[in-house]
Amino acid sequence: NAGVMQNPRHLVRRRGQEARLRCSPMKGHSHVYWYRQLPEEGLKFMVYLQKENIIDESGMPKERFSAEFPKEGPSILRIQQVVRGDSAAYFCASSPLARKNTGELFFGEGSRLTVL
Amino acid sequence: GENVEQHPSTLSVQEGDSAVIKCTYSDSASNYFPWYKQELGKGPQLIIDIRSNVGEKKDQRIAVTLNKTAKHFSLHITETQPEDSAVYFCAASPGYNQGGKLIFGQGTELSVKP
Repeated sequence: NAGVMQNPRHLVRRRGQEARLRCSPMKGHSHVYWYRQLPEEGLKFMVYLQKENIIDESGMPKERFSAEFPKEGPSILRIQQVVRGDSAAYFCASSPLARKNTGELFFGEGSRLTVL
Repeated sequence: GENVEQHPSTLSVQEGDSAVIKCTYSDSASNYFPWYKQELGKGPQLIIDIRSNVGEKKDQRIAVTLNKTAKHFSLHITETQPEDSAVYFCAASPGYNQGGKLIFGQGTELSVKP
């Protein structure tokens, strides 16, 4: 059973460009969470999605950031007009529907965004 | 909302010694407390967790204790080995949770010297 798959693992963008980060949850998992980790800091919650629904986006910046989890395909975190402060590691996690209230999350290896 | 504080930020021990990492949380309704280990360049991996109806849980060299009254929980690693060197994060699942969301502490960088 493959784990949570994130790509790209590393992404370099210039200021003003767009970044798209993709996440495929573990097989059988229908809940996806995105977290951001700034250098030498902890993991900050961004957004929680189920298929075709955003459940909790309380950690998402109000502008330039969006997330989706379509019926088919991976979840995508999109950052428009990137700035240097967006440089971070972005982690995706998933959990299975049947245990959605346990809090046990399975993390991917992360996508490391560098903004020049 | 929930806030999780973690101490210390760095911890250095000799191989074979014990290591203790402590966390406090603010939301008394939080009911699930996992610990994650993150190695360099990797994603966090769950190593142990505890729920609010349990005071202590042990898995080989790793144990976690929970004090609901004081709203703090701790990770204990005994007989540390160099491969235990990593960053450890505590987390709490808020009581208002709509499902699965975790609030993380700031992390503890553990270094085990051979």
